Amino acid sequence: SQQGEEDPQALSIQEGENATMNCSYKTSINNLQWYRQNSGRGLVHLILIRSNEREKHSGRLRVTLDTSKKSSSLLITASRAADTASYFCAAQGGSEKLVFGKGTKLTVNP
Amino acid sequence: DAGITQSPRHKVTETGTPVTLRCHQTENHRYMYWYRQDPGHGLRLIHYSYGVKDTDKGEVSDGYSVSRSKTEDFLLTLESATSSQTSVYFCAISGGRTGETYNYGYTFGSGTRLTVV
Repeated sequence: SQQGEEDPQALSIQEGENATMNCSYKTSINNLQWYRQNSGRGLVHLILIRSNEREKHSGRLRVTLDTSKKSSSLLITASRAADTASYFCAAQGGSEKLVFGKGTKLTVNP
Repeated sequence: DAGITQSPRHKVTETGTPVTLRCHQTENHRYMYWYRQDPGHGLRLIHYSYGVKDTDKGEVSDGYSVSRSKTEDFLLTLESATSSQTSVYFCAISGGRTGETYNYGYTFGSGTRLTVV
């Protein structure tokens, strides 16, 4: 069964707007990771937030983690057409394995 | 993707035939994984390896076997391919050279698109 579940499944915005994607998970975690996948390509690691962290930034990315609600959010500020991709959250729990959600498909319109 | 390659990139095979997919890394990472990606299911773990000759099953391992005789190579074999195994297969590596188990992101290969007819 999936550990992470993203919401929404699809998101369409205009260039320059912010995009927010949410992720919920089921069990206790060591960290929560976000990945991007461009069409027909492999996944690319974006950012990792540890269970004892609440917020993390990387460039135009901002990730929050609420372990009490078992949820995380990914904010992409000032979106660009090149941000069009699918975004996946992945939870790392008691073992080293990552369990992925089904992804959010983001479309940024020029 | 730098440091990790998958072969072949595309393959069409017939039902009932054996198929082997290869993942090769040059990063000397300890952990290697095979995932499959299907519409509506996201990525699901098939098998993984935590060292040479050390492998374990993931959530969708039925019909698949793996081998890791060298640090750099992780092979996925479909013993007798079925149409339900039509999918995109991704290999990933993690853990760094020190073998730390947590808090490393994964590096993914570009994928193998397998069609079973």
